[in-house]
Amino acid sequence: NAGVTQTPKFRVLKTGQSMTLLCAQDMNHEYMYWYRQDPGMGLRLIHYSVGEGTTAKGEVPDGYNVSRLKKQNFLLGLESAAPSQTSVYFCASSSRLAGTYEQYFGPGTRLTVT
Amino acid sequence: AQSVSQHNHHVILSEAASLELGCNYSYGGTVNLFWYVQYPGQHLQLLLKYFSEDPLVKGIKGFEAEFIKSKFSFNLRKPSVQWSDTAEYFCAVIGGSYIPTFGRGTSLIVHP
Repeated sequence: NAGVTQTPKFRVLKTGQSMTLLCAQDMNHEYMYWYRQDPGMGLRLIHYSVGEGTTAKGEVPDGYNVSRLKKQNFLLGLESAAPSQTSVYFCASSSRLAGTYEQYFGPGTRLTVT
Repeated sequence: AQSVSQHNHHVILSEAASLELGCNYSYGGTVNLFWYVQYPGQHLQLLLKYFSEDPLVKGIKGFEAEFIKSKFSFNLRKPSVQWSDTAEYFCAVIGGSYIPTFGRGTSLIVHP
């Protein structure tokens, strides 16, 4: 039982490049989330998904796209990276059906955009 | 809309000192409340949670939190901190949307 995993752990991009961050969970959770964490800003929700095939915008969605084609995977895409997207990105999952709602976090991806 | 406010952004304590971190939320209905901890270089993990049971919740590593509905507060406490408690602490609330809102976090440094 690996919990929540994220790929890659580190990445450096040049402005304008694109990339996809992969999140996978093996707990059969319905809900999945992408956050970014910046100093002094806490965790800010980018996008989330309440089930396979559904996604929704969070607090800071601009510049990002997501897809949830399979229940266990949640992809975060940056089509044209900007220096303002330099951050640590965390994926999380939770289960409403289990009635606990607590979030399980992945180890994070540190992204630098130069 | 729900929101969370953590009053202390940075706290510095000596070992064995008592800790209380403030958390206030804004939401008019039933809530579920959480405290998460992030140790240096690691991801967030659950410290404790409140789910409409006893308002005094006990978590891991000697932490506890008290839900005071009339004050919309869920403060985190520990009677005696250790150097290993150095971390960032996040309060979170879930209301009717089932999507959590996190506070900005409190950085705790414990000097040995």
